[in-house]
Amino acid sequence: QKEVEQNSGPLSVPEGAIASLNCTYSDRGSQSFFWYRQYSGKSPELIMSIYSNGDKEDGRFTAQLNKASQYVSLLIRDSQPSDSATYLCAVYILEGNEKLTFGTGTRLTIIP
Amino acid sequence: DGGITQSPKYLFRKEGQNVTLSCEQNLNHDAMYWYRQDPGQGLRLIYYSQIVNDFQKGDIAEGYSVSREKKESFPLTVTSAQKNPTAFYLCASSEREYYEQYFGPGTRLTVT
Repeated sequence: QKEVEQNSGPLSVPEGAIASLNCTYSDRGSQSFFWYRQYSGKSPELIMSIYSNGDKEDGRFTAQLNKASQYVSLLIRDSQPSDSATYLCAVYILEGNEKLTFGTGTRLTIIP
Repeated sequence: DGGITQSPKYLFRKEGQNVTLSCEQNLNHDAMYWYRQDPGQGLRLIYYSQIVNDFQKGDIAEGYSVSREKKESFPLTVTSAQKNPTAFYLCASSEREYYEQYFGPGTRLTVT
């Protein structure tokens, strides 16, 4: 089983709608969770971090964490064409060599 | 402006040559990291350093070397022993280990 899993997409969402991105992870002891946005040809940019169960909102972005079910999600409200990018989920995996483990990313396309 | 710089942006080398990628940060972060990204794959950790004059191997350290003589700098050398060096190389830093990581703009290395 992969340590951090994401649906690779592509995920197509109409402009103005809600985009929902999901991520599951294997380590029950993980405490830190991050979402990065990566535009084509560019480096990842941190957009959200979440450490406790529940929702965390920042502007149009909401991160949701459920440690019991081992998933973390990112909601993007009022999606804009500029949100079209690959979204990377990252989790600090504590089993064995502690390190920030990245999923392979979900490619999101916002359709005008 | 605080941030992470990587140079050069693009690098072309012939097989059999060693090449050094630069990474500098002025965020006063203790920890620094090197990742490699290949198309369709997640980020893979090459080396990381939590403190000056100390560093640890990541998942794919073979064929790479690093140094951490100054807090601000963490150069990566890609040696001729690295079998598939062509990739997008990303440097990151964090205030401490297990905190959010921030990425530099990356160096795209092509070896022919």
